[in-house]
Amino acid sequence: VQLVESGGGLVQPGGSVRLSCAASGFTFNYYWMDWVRQAPGQGLAWVSRVSPDGSVTRYADSVKGRFTISRDNAKSTLSLQMSGLRAEDTAVYYCVREERDTYELDYWGQGNLVTVSS
Amino acid sequence: QSALTQPRSVSEFPGQSVTISCTGTSSDIGGYDYVSWYQQFPGRVPKVMIYDVNKRPSGVPGRFSGSKSGNTASLTISGLQTGDEADYYCCSYAGSNTYVFGTGTKVSVL
Repeated sequence: VQLVESGGGLVQPGGSVRLSCAASGFTFNYYWMDWVRQAPGQGLAWVSRVSPDGSVTRYADSVKGRFTISRDNAKSTLSLQMSGLRAEDTAVYYCVREERDTYELDYWGQGNLVTVSS
Repeated sequence: QSALTQPRSVSEFPGQSVTISCTGTSSDIGGYDYVSWYQQFPGRVPKVMIYDVNKRPSGVPGRFSGSKSGNTASLTISGLQTGDEADYYCCSYAGSNTYVFGTGTKVSVL
């Protein structure tokens, strides 16, 4: 199993950025997928979740209305479109797989840093 | 979606046991048997140690165990080793297809 994130970097407050996660080594369309973030020196925070077919999406209150999770099962790719970015969104964003039939976050990508600053 | 409450730090001598608590509400920990625990070394990716309250993924030592009572979950590390020094986070399903993490606990081996 491999999860490789891309797309982070420096973004201005109010700006937008799209994170991508390329998945391999497993049947992508069988699994729920999540984004989890970690601000510098802080703890883990769940951000968003999407069902195997993409029909169900959920968000943490802190990002609802600003972030959009999606997936392309044909390309085994998970995405997070982030807009209206704030300084408090600065964090390492992890792409995470959930094991089937459990609520276990079993595989994590290496993480991608998004810095919101002028 | 308030974070679950964990002690900031715990410490114990090698060979002893340490227990980390994780307190939530009836809407998360108390409502579901879906608590997991993650170990994270500085600069490293989190690793699942316990899932569904008390199940261990293959490869995780039996020294790690989980339990739950009411709105509080616990992770116990028995036979503490220096290599167990890390941050530990609990996580609970919180209904409506959402999750909530704990505030994190730093485990130190004296």
